[in-house]
Amino acid sequence: NAGVTQTPKFQVLKTGQSMTLQCAQDMNHNSMYWYRQDPGMGLRLIYYSASEGTTDKGEVPNGYNVSRLNKREFSLRLESAAPSQTSVYFCASSSGTGFGELFFGEGSRLTVL
Amino acid sequence: EDQVTQSPEALRLQEGESSSLNCSYTVSGLRGLFWYRQDPGKGPEFLFTLYSAGEEKEKERLKATLTKKESFLHITAPKPEDSATYLCAVQAVESQGGSEKLVFGKGTKLTVNP
Repeated sequence: NAGVTQTPKFQVLKTGQSMTLQCAQDMNHNSMYWYRQDPGMGLRLIYYSASEGTTDKGEVPNGYNVSRLNKREFSLRLESAAPSQTSVYFCASSSGTGFGELFFGEGSRLTVL
Repeated sequence: EDQVTQSPEALRLQEGESSSLNCSYTVSGLRGLFWYRQDPGKGPEFLFTLYSAGEEKEKERLKATLTKKESFLHITAPKPEDSATYLCAVQAVESQGGSEKLVFGKGTKLTVNP
């Protein structure tokens, strides 16, 4: 039972480069989320999708875009990476249409030089 | 502003030495309080959900309790494998607009020495 799968696990980018973080869940969950985790800051919500076809901004959406490709997949794109986006990114899912018990992936560690 | 504060930031215990972690919150419209465990290099793993003051949940050596302003995660006779960062999160309704949000605390790093 894979749960929530994120790729890649590690990535190093140069300032200005673009990349997409991929996330897939196999639990038939309705809602999916992207968080970033920084030392001393806790988990902060970037974007979320309460259902297939909908996306909403979270607390820190600037510099990011998302796509809810289908019920299983939710991707996060950095169009022009900045050093401030160096972080660990977590994808999560939940069965309802709004938060509740979240199931997290193992994280993607991104470094922007 | 909605806030979730966890204390202490770090806690070192000897194996078998019971203690408690605290999560205090100031939010309007509490929907639920969640505890997660996070191991180094891993994503958070769900432990408990509490919905109303007075509620308690238990799992092995862990017991979570909830009052109107705070939650405690009690650890009884901890073992080294209980070492992890414990995160608290509060689901609340925005005072303006009525949308829901989930606010995470910064976590308590627990180390249990053998």
